[in-house]
Amino acid sequence: AQSVTQLGSHVSVSEGALVLLRCNYSSSVPPYLFWYVQYPNQGLQLLLKYTTGATLVKGINGFEAEFKKSETSFHLTKPSAHMSDAAEYFCAVSGTGANSKLTFGKGITLSVRP
Amino acid sequence: DAGITQSPRYKITETGRQVTLMCHQTWSHSYMFWYRQDLGHGLRLIYYSAAADITDKGEVPDGYVVSRSKTENFPLTLESATRSQTSVYFCASSASVETQYFGPGTRLLVL
Repeated sequence: AQSVTQLGSHVSVSEGALVLLRCNYSSSVPPYLFWYVQYPNQGLQLLLKYTTGATLVKGINGFEAEFKKSETSFHLTKPSAHMSDAAEYFCAVSGTGANSKLTFGKGITLSVRP
Repeated sequence: DAGITQSPRYKITETGRQVTLMCHQTWSHSYMFWYRQDLGHGLRLIYYSAAADITDKGEVPDGYVVSRSKTENFPLTLESATRSQTSVYFCASSASVETQYFGPGTRLLVL
């Protein structure tokens, strides 16, 4: 069984400020971890993923996330927010087997203030 | 065009009617998925398919039917639509468990 917890539903930051979106997971097997972004009226787009290897993962648009097994976390960060980062962000977990499926968190809406 | 497409993008129907949402991908990905997105629930898996003629239930399959006669198509049918099926539906495809690619979504309103 697997699950994802994204605390809170909305985060607001000022342009240029640090973005931190939290994700904790539960998995009975070594996980694959993902962050997806959804812009208004669009589908989900992969930001970054952790499968194996380096625990600090860099993605598109300046985002990165660090897999911390001891904390069962995969928090998403960006040093300096841009107005175009305003969107909904989903953390997801899957197993590594051939028929593993993604389990999504409830999502967090990021607002960026000018 | 290459990629994953969904049709229609918007649909209004009435309770009790049958509705089919279409999904088409051009990558020849083995895996295809249907999700529904509802406020406060994130995305929940309805059905998935590991290959043509192989489908399986996800988290919320009741009231839905799928088929996959061709690798590139994965239609989702609501046999008798209910108001609780008002949602945004996303189709996705993947070549492996690592990365799923999502379509633009279908907004369905059941009156």
